[in-house]
Amino acid sequence: DVVMTQSPLSLPVTLGQPASTSCRSSQSLIHSDGNTYLNWFQQRPGQSPRRLIYKVSKRDSGVPDRFSGSGSGTNFTLRISRVEAEDIGIYYCMQGTHWPPITFGQGTRLEI
Amino acid sequence: EVQLLESGGGLVRPGGSLRLSCATSGFTFTTTAMNWVRQAPGKGLQWVSGITNSGGKTYYADSVKGRFIISRDNSKNMLYLQMDSLRAEDTGVYYCARESWVPWGQGTLVTVSS
Repeated sequence: DVVMTQSPLSLPVTLGQPASTSCRSSQSLIHSDGNTYLNWFQQRPGQSPRRLIYKVSKRDSGVPDRFSGSGSGTNFTLRISRVEAEDIGIYYCMQGTHWPPITFGQGTRLEI
Repeated sequence: EVQLLESGGGLVRPGGSLRLSCATSGFTFTTTAMNWVRQAPGKGLQWVSGITNSGGKTYYADSVKGRFIISRDNSKNMLYLQMDSLRAEDTGVYYCARESWVPWGQGTLVTVSS
């Protein structure tokens, strides 16, 4: 199984300042079709998860452009250019390249 | 608008059974693979099971293999998860999700406790 390791697990942030979280996979997430199936999800307190980023860096519709994803192979990063209050929550990376099973990272808790 | 509505959760004793349902609308269900993901209280996300669009292939996490069965009724746009031999560690919110992972339903809470 592919193990997804996120760091840090807790990320204190300051509103208006940038923030980033890292996700590392135990093997390359490059699929034989050339795509890298690495997603980022946001889960606000009391809400269901919401996908923000797919295929490493493609932003979902309605996601503010302050969110960006980058990386390749086994190392990936989610960046927020300027943190807003509504960004507070837990961020999960997920790989869909080598499945089953689909695997998630442990989550990074963004907190003020 | 795509909608996923899970139901069927509740309190069950260890060793018991539950059947979760996911009612879907707003997309072509018959061409969409589906998944179940769960979240234990205060914990992260865990993929549980997946099924191809036709229902011809099913996949399970090792932790539920042999105890859970995923199925679908394409004539009703419904996804199901039959959960048998439930354990305390199966407690959590269960979400159904499309293969695109957009959007997620509100989830249904399963509590396994004596």
